Amino acid sequence: QKEVEQDPGPLSVPEGAIVSLNCTYSNSAFQYFMWYRQYSRKGPELLMYTYSSGNKEDGRFTAQVDKSSKYISLFIRDSQPSDSATYLCAMAMNRDDKIIFGKGTRLHILP
Amino acid sequence: DSGVTQTPKHLITATGQRVTLRCSPRSGDLSVYWYQQSLDQGLQFLIQYYNGEERAKGNILERFSAQQFPDLHSELNLSSLELGDSALYFCASSVGTGGTTNEKLFFGSGTQLSVL
Repeated sequence: QKEVEQDPGPLSVPEGAIVSLNCTYSNSAFQYFMWYRQYSRKGPELLMYTYSSGNKEDGRFTAQVDKSSKYISLFIRDSQPSDSATYLCAMAMNRDDKIIFGKGTRLHILP
Repeated sequence: DSGVTQTPKHLITATGQRVTLRCSPRSGDLSVYWYQQSLDQGLQFLIQYYNGEERAKGNILERFSAQQFPDLHSELNLSSLELGDSALYFCASSVGTGGTTNEKLFFGSGTQLSVL
């Protein structure tokens, strides 16, 4: 079983819809959870991070962590064509530990 | 623009050859990280340097090596190249030793390596 599982997609949704992106993981020691966005031919950029369980909101983005289910989610409200990208979940056990990335989900927002 | 510069953008070479990828971190960042991204493996951490010293090691093959120079730029050397080494290689930098929570990783645009 891979440490971090993420559906590769592609996921296509109409503009304005709510998008839900998810990852599952197997290592219960993970405490830091992140979402990175990667545009085509660019490096990933950090979107959101959370520590332990709970929700975090930043504008149209909400990150949710359920440690009991080993499941994390990223919600995008009022999705825009500019949100079309690959979204990678990432996690780490400790603050200085290496980051383990999911393989990413390709998202297409249709105008 | 992340402020991290990687050269070259594209590299085409043959099996058995050796190549060097170069990375200049953001001004003020002391940590440099190297990642390999392929379709089947995703983004894999290779190695991290902090202020010239190796800080953490990931899934880096023995044929690969890296170093960080006094001016903080870094090079990743890949030798005895195999077809399976074809991938996108990213460099990232951060201010301190971490790279998780509030120490944001800034990624370069990557070097696309094709081994023929």
